[in-house]
Formats: sequence, C-alpha cells, structure tokens
Amino acid sequence: GAGVSQSPSNKVTEKGKDVELRCDPISGHTALYWYRQSLGQGLEFLIYFQGNSAPDKSGLPSDRFSAERTGGSVSTLTIQRTQQEDSAVYLCASSLNGEGQETQYFGPGTRLLVL
Amino acid sequence: DQQVKQNSPSLSVQEGRISILNCDYTNSMFDYFLWYKKYPAEGPTFLISISSIKDKNEDGRFTVFLNKSAKHLSLHIVPSQPGDSAVYFCAQEGTGGTSYGKLTFGQGTILTVHP
Repeated sequence: GAGVSQSPSNKVTEKGKDVELRCDPISGHTALYWYRQSLGQGLEFLIYFQGNSAPDKSGLPSDRFSAERTGGSVSTLTIQRTQQEDSAVYLCASSLNGEGQETQYFGPGTRLLVL
Repeated sequence: DQQVKQNSPSLSVQEGRISILNCDYTNSMFDYFLWYKKYPAEGPTFLISISSIKDKNEDGRFTVFLNKSAKHLSLHIVPSQPGDSAVYFCAQEGTGGTSYGKLTFGQGTILTVHP
C-alpha cells in the first residue's frame, strides 16, 4: 500500500485479556517502530526493528508487552493480561533504512481501551 | 537521560499571523530534530527537520530554528492558515548507540488558527 496501515483501528477489551495489534509498514522499508500515546502525553517509544538485527526493546514498559516482525515486513505487538493503564493509542511507523536522520512515516494508530 | 519538552500545551493565533511553537531538550548528544503534525484520529505527519550542523531550515511557510547553546528549537509558521490547526510534536532522534533511530517526543502543542 501507499502508507503504513494498522489494524484494528479500535479495540475494546476487558482487563486481563490478551490483545494483538498489527502493523503493515511501507513496502521496502526495513525499519519499523512502535510508539504509544497515552491520554495527554507525548508519543512514547516502545520497540524498534531494523532489518535482521535484534530489536531494540528498551521502551517496552513491562514483560507483558512483546512484538515480533515476520519476514521483515508485518509486525504484531502483543499485550498480555491487559491492564487499564495500557489504554492508549498505539502507533506504528516505518522508515527506509533505520540508519538515522530519516523520516519516520506513521500509521493511523490503534486505539486500545481496557475496561 | 534524554528529554524533550513542549511547555505550551496550546497556542491560538489569527489567520495570516505567525505561529511560533517552542521545544526544549536536555541531551546535546543527539543531533537531529523533527517536527510532526497530528490531526485527530490520524497518525503524525512529518513536517520539517533540522540537523545540529545547521541553525535554520526552511520549507515554504515552515521554518525551524535551532539554538544549540540554549538547547531550544522553535517552529515558525507564517502565514498561519486555519488548516494548520492540529497538534504539533517536536522530536529528537538519537544517531548512535541504543538510541539509533528511536524518536523521543515532546508532549505536543495544540495550535488553533482562527479565520
């Protein structure tokens, strides 16, 4: 596609359930990033994939959060045993090489609400 | 520690006037800065960037100024248009080590341009 796509666009879940959020980056982009924006906050870095390198997981807030990127393209962010504080907009971005000083292109986000 | 701060949560200007959005950062080791614009229910859209080797970068109505000694950057929009009404985020990128490619965002400033 022309841009970064994410699904679902909205997700409502009950506390304690697991959720999976999907990101399709721009075709040909080797770098993929996950961020989240909590209410009234800026965007917070979660995890970064670049090519076949080990991902930078330094932003994941707890071990309930994990992400994978299959075949160097689609990525899935999984949140296990969701908590109310996980409610946020989860944004995915991609860039061409991830080598720095590149534009990151964002998807529309997934709005997660944990009841 | 790397922090980016936008101390003005909102700004209101008249159409045709200049909008000035401000951003402060703490860590001078990271030398690439970006501004993104975000409309409701959409992902952030890249606006303009600047590397620390410059103190100004201009693109049409948008100019970013970087004051390295003050660890401050600003985005000027002139003339402002109603379609510029959005949330503006500044971001700082690491260009080495574990922060490579990752963006650290400010909290955002809501700009409203009145007709």
